[in-house]
Amino acid sequence: AQKITQTQPGMFVQEKEAVTLDCTYDTSDPSYGLFWYKQPSSGEMIFLIYQGSYDQQNATEGRYSLNFQKARKSANLVISASQLGDSAMYFCAMSAYGNQFYFGTGTSLTVIP
Amino acid sequence: DTGVSQNPRHKITKRGQNVTFRCDPISEHNRLYWYRQTLGQGPEFLTYFQNEAQLEKSRLLSDRFSAERPKGSFSTLEIQRTEQGDSAMYLCASSLDGRANTEAFFGQGTRLTVV
Repeated sequence: AQKITQTQPGMFVQEKEAVTLDCTYDTSDPSYGLFWYKQPSSGEMIFLIYQGSYDQQNATEGRYSLNFQKARKSANLVISASQLGDSAMYFCAMSAYGNQFYFGTGTSLTVIP
Repeated sequence: DTGVSQNPRHKITKRGQNVTFRCDPISEHNRLYWYRQTLGQGPEFLTYFQNEAQLEKSRLLSDRFSAERPKGSFSTLEIQRTEQGDSAMYLCASSLDGRANTEAFFGQGTRLTVV
């Protein structure tokens, strides 16, 4: 079975600073994908970044980067140069062999001006 | 393409009534997922389809819940004899295929309130 753990219920960051949101996962499948989604107060889930289990390099998408440590089974999201619009819930998710996505409980990020 | 569309956005119903939600995925996507999300929690998997075939159902999906995707395009999720515990956001997502590196795109959800 797959499991995603996010241990930070809430995080605060000063505007323009960087922040790291933690995610650990557990799976016995050799092939899997790790995803981060952002959920603003409006409720929609917005895809941010993807990391494949066989990818050698950490994924980056603009201000988002994924710190992938396979041996530790962690996939932390780093947001650089935080903006007020980054305030939202952030969910880490995993999919093995493209089947259902498993989500963590989320981290609420608040960006302070 | 406007992305994944869900209707209605909000639904208030009396306990014991039946409700049906609709999801229109991104047109070329053959995978369609239903999730339920309660306040302060991450989305919980309910079921998913590959084209018109329902491949997996969660144990959360009691016999009061049924989902269909008759022509492999849009999908409906029906809840019969609603209970207050069914109050949640119901999210639909679609993806291009079943590869592990394919992200799912979500709709804006249907918020159900059972009174």
